[in-house]
Amino acid sequence: NAGVMQNPRHLVRRRGQEARLRCSPMKGHSHVYWYRQLPEEGLKFMVYLQKENIIDESGMPKERFSAEFPKEGPSILRIQQVVRGDSAAYFCASSPSRDNEQFFGPGTRLTVL
Amino acid sequence: RKEVEQDPGPFNVPEGATVAFNCTYSNSASQSFFWYRQDCRKEPKLLMSVYSSGNEDGRFTAQLNRASQYISLLIRDSKLSDSATYLCVVIVSGGYNKLIFGAGTRLAVHP
Repeated sequence: NAGVMQNPRHLVRRRGQEARLRCSPMKGHSHVYWYRQLPEEGLKFMVYLQKENIIDESGMPKERFSAEFPKEGPSILRIQQVVRGDSAAYFCASSPSRDNEQFFGPGTRLTVL
Repeated sequence: RKEVEQDPGPFNVPEGATVAFNCTYSNSASQSFFWYRQDCRKEPKLLMSVYSSGNEDGRFTAQLNRASQYISLLIRDSKLSDSATYLCVVIVSGGYNKLIFGAGTRLAVHP
């Protein structure tokens, strides 16, 4: 059973471009969480999704950021018009149910030039 | 005030030392507590859950004091491989597991 997969592992974007981060949960997991880790800081919750539904997006900036978890395919975190402050490691985690342990992917390191 | 606060670190200790990390949380509705370990530029991994009765896993002992809203992690007989950042994590009751992380305490074990 493969673990949580994220790609790309490293992403470089120039200011104003779009960044798309993908997360494939573990097999059988229908719950996905996205966290962001700024340099020298702890992880911060961004959004919690179940298949086709956003349950809690309270940690996600209102502008430029969006997330989805379609019926088929990976969860996508999309950042439009990236700025230097978006440079961070973005981790997703998946879980088989809403109150079960979360398993983390290896993260995507986004660098905005 | 941060929701979860930890010792700033870094802790530099020799092999074989005993080291203790502390953590406080601000939300009295917190219901679940964990220590995670994060190696440099890697994802966090669950080290152990923390219970009011205290729990031990080999060289690691975790304690929870709900009245003081305080969590601790004790590592005995430190190994070089224990070098990492230790993250204190809580879940506030809300029907699903939204993890709230502390900023982490860095541990460096030297020969």
